Amino acid sequence: DAKTTQPTSMDCAEGRAANLPCNHSTISGNEYVYWYRQIHSQGPQYIIHGLKNNETNEMASLIITEDRKSSTLILPHATLRDTAVYYCIVRGMDSNYQLIWGAGTKLIIKP
Amino acid sequence: GAGVSQSPSNKVTEKGKDVELRCDPISGHTALYWYRQSLGQGLEFLIYFQGNSAPDKSGLPSDRFSAERTGGSVSTLTIQRTQQEDSAVYLCASSPRQGFNSPLHFGNGTRLTVT
Repeated sequence: DAKTTQPTSMDCAEGRAANLPCNHSTISGNEYVYWYRQIHSQGPQYIIHGLKNNETNEMASLIITEDRKSSTLILPHATLRDTAVYYCIVRGMDSNYQLIWGAGTKLIIKP
Repeated sequence: GAGVSQSPSNKVTEKGKDVELRCDPISGHTALYWYRQSLGQGLEFLIYFQGNSAPDKSGLPSDRFSAERTGGSVSTLTIQRTQQEDSAVYLCASSPRQGFNSPLHFGNGTRLTVT
């Protein structure tokens, strides 16, 4: 079973920040939080990952709560091309390297 | 820089036939993974290769499935006597090193349809 829970779907207006939540209440101390997205008929695209600290790269920001039981992926200025399914997964010794994927969040960016 | 390349992109085969799916990982990546994704579902782990170590085959659904990785680079996933339930997108990913702080980079997959 997936170790993460995410909303099934979300909408966001173009140009606004998209905030995607993820719960991972059973995360272990050595497990990283990863975010990927998948656009129709393409392979998953790596976005960002983190362990404890907040992270930022050219695509997004990742905010991890202090207790590490949840996180939020932030796309600062969403565009129509950001419409995709977003997957939050945990990865570490306890989950081995099998990357158990849940169903993800379908993010729809509206003009 | 080239990403992970998979071929063919689409494969239609008759039930009972064997198929081979190919993955060319990113050059220098030591870790290679195979997953499959059924329509509207998340990813299902199949097999993992790391360097010269014995692969982790724990995700292979039956003995009809096998995979090889030659020379630490190209990998082939073989499905023998295909069944209709094998229809899915088969995804390959590679990672520059072992460890959980190393992101996977995916190819665009092979869509397998068994008729």
